[in-house]
Amino acid sequence: GENVEQHPSTLSVQEGDSAVIKCTYSDSASNYFPWYKQELGKGPQLIIDIRSNVGEKKDQRIAVTLNKTAKHFSLHITETQPEDSAVYFCAAESGTASKLTFGTGTRLQVTL
Amino acid sequence: GAVVSQHPSWVICKSGTSVKIECRSLDFQATTMFWYRQFPKQSLMLMATSNEGSKATYEQGVEKDKFLINHASLTLSTLTVTSAHPEDSSFYICSANRAGTEAFFGQGTRLTVV
Repeated sequence: GENVEQHPSTLSVQEGDSAVIKCTYSDSASNYFPWYKQELGKGPQLIIDIRSNVGEKKDQRIAVTLNKTAKHFSLHITETQPEDSAVYFCAAESGTASKLTFGTGTRLQVTL
Repeated sequence: GAVVSQHPSWVICKSGTSVKIECRSLDFQATTMFWYRQFPKQSLMLMATSNEGSKATYEQGVEKDKFLINHASLTLSTLTVTSAHPEDSSFYICSANRAGTEAFFGQGTRLTVV
């Protein structure tokens, strides 16, 4: 089955700096890669996603890049703000069952 | 965007009792819903795939007789934790996919078994 690894597990940046979180996946058949933000005690919230036919996608301060050959994808957050502090999960979807395999999560702390 | 609602948001039960958690897709029909479990400071682990009108598909290591899933309609799936024990205490989250789009997650249910 699919295996998703995520790094780093914790990340602390100063407000205004950029944050980068990286994930790798094992199943070359995976074709959909969402990123989720989870705040304490809440369910995950989709922040951006990318499909395997696209190399990069951007939405305001958030961007995702995908390298299918290397089987890795990354989340980039620019001009970080304190409200960006949360746990971020990457995921990969493979097969026709729409099953998601999640990474281990990154706790992002944006300090003033 | 689409909304998935879970109820209750938190529940405390005594060891040995059963607890039912509901997952509803409020503005779309979902033939498939997913149930996850998340322990503190850990990732989401898929427990089972809930299929409307048929039996759920459980992931390896998940006891189907302990975690009963019913998907009786296109907008409702339920997870019943039977004979709950303290080790079942966790954060349970459901998700649903609207056809051709991304997964939408519920707000989660914090189960504490005492």
